Amino acid sequence: AQKVTQAQTEISVVEKEDVTLDCVYETRDTTYYLFWYKQPPSGELVFLIRRNSFDEQNEISGRYSWNFQKSTSSFNFTITASQVVDSAVYFCARGAGNTPLVFGKGTRLSVIA
Amino acid sequence: EAGVAQSPRYKIIEKRQSVAFWCNPISGHATLYWYQQILGQGPKLLIQFQNNGVVDDSQLPKDRFSAERLKGVDSTLKIQPAKLEDSAVYLCASSSKGGGRTEAFFGQGTRLTVV
Repeated sequence: AQKVTQAQTEISVVEKEDVTLDCVYETRDTTYYLFWYKQPPSGELVFLIRRNSFDEQNEISGRYSWNFQKSTSSFNFTITASQVVDSAVYFCARGAGNTPLVFGKGTRLSVIA
Repeated sequence: EAGVAQSPRYKIIEKRQSVAFWCNPISGHATLYWYQQILGQGPKLLIQFQNNGVVDDSQLPKDRFSAERLKGVDSTLKIQPAKLEDSAVYLCASSSKGGGRTEAFFGQGTRLTVV
């Protein structure tokens, strides 16, 4: 199976620090899609971003930014000036063709006030 | 736009009992997924529907799990009989296209506890 690896199980930071969540994926597909989802304590998976394999431009949305590097099969997620509300489990996922999304095991982020 | 609706939110049953979960996807979404999320792990796909046809059910334990999507809209997931290891959150998601070509939106999930 083509895996998605999130090596960081848990990260704790102090409020206002920057934090980067790592994601490494495996793929044999030429065209594929990468995602980040946030799962707050309420349990619902909240969609954050989707990128396709042909678009390696980094993206910034407010305090969130994503760095996609095909050469290293990585799609890392950075939160700048973290806030307590950012505390959640973050999942990276990959999709391709008509196959379903494959998720990593998630990184639990705790932002301490 | 209404999101993905799931019910019930919580369910506690004894092992060997049966249970059913219901999902109503976002209107117009042809693709519907059921994922199982065990505590501390990422979601694992159980079954993917495209309209009312099954696209992928390779990880569905078919001896005890079944799912259907009548008329290509609502879906139900059933477990019969339940085992202790089925304790998990069952997430339903929908997207307009499969494979990540469009984003999948998730419901709040059903937390199942088997005792």
